Amino acid sequence: DAKTTQPTSMDCAEGRAANLPCNHSTISGNEYVYWYRQIHSQGPQYIIHGLKNNETNEMASLIITEDRKSSTLILPHATLRDTAVYYCIVRVDQTGANNLFFGTGTRLTVIP
Amino acid sequence: GAGVSQTPSNKVTEKGKYVELRCDPISGHTALYWYRQSLGQGPEFLIYFQGTGAADDSGLPNDRFFAVRPEGSVSTLKIQRTERGDSAVYLCASSFGIGAGANVLTFGAGSRLTVL
Repeated sequence: DAKTTQPTSMDCAEGRAANLPCNHSTISGNEYVYWYRQIHSQGPQYIIHGLKNNETNEMASLIITEDRKSSTLILPHATLRDTAVYYCIVRVDQTGANNLFFGTGTRLTVIP
Repeated sequence: GAGVSQTPSNKVTEKGKYVELRCDPISGHTALYWYRQSLGQGPEFLIYFQGTGAADDSGLPNDRFFAVRPEGSVSTLKIQRTERGDSAVYLCASSFGIGAGANVLTFGAGSRLTVL
């Protein structure tokens, strides 16, 4: 699977948009981009995933560049509860390809 | 309940002892996963079940670690002759495991293992 590169940490003011970048320059055509987050003392939580089109759900938006070599997770109005470690993962979306590699992620701190 | 349940939430044991950690997945989820997370690190894959069989156990660190899922639902992670380096949070997750969305995992809160 393609590797991902994320900043170690980021800060965001409460109420502002949090934009979390992820580089995946070696991504292949059948690999999806997944985002999970992990709030302190909890298990990871699925946020969103996409292949090449931008995606939006109730939690976040995922913007994937046209060449698919990078993506950005957007939390439109960050709250204190969004403070967590955010993981960007690239993986094929098929049966039997389920051993997700999490890496160390980006630690997002939302500041009051 | 609606989520993935793991027991115990905390386990303290002595070096050399045997430990079992239990995971109760979401009803209807055919795939079940075990991960291990050390302090400051991301979750590390251990083993994945599709139904009753282990589809991928490549992440198990050595033969002291074993996992079963005899009826395709509840799973038990078993650790023999525990070592201090086994101290970590052991996370379980489940998913539908098939086709699109196979990688949308729901995680439990984890079992924190401390080996003294």
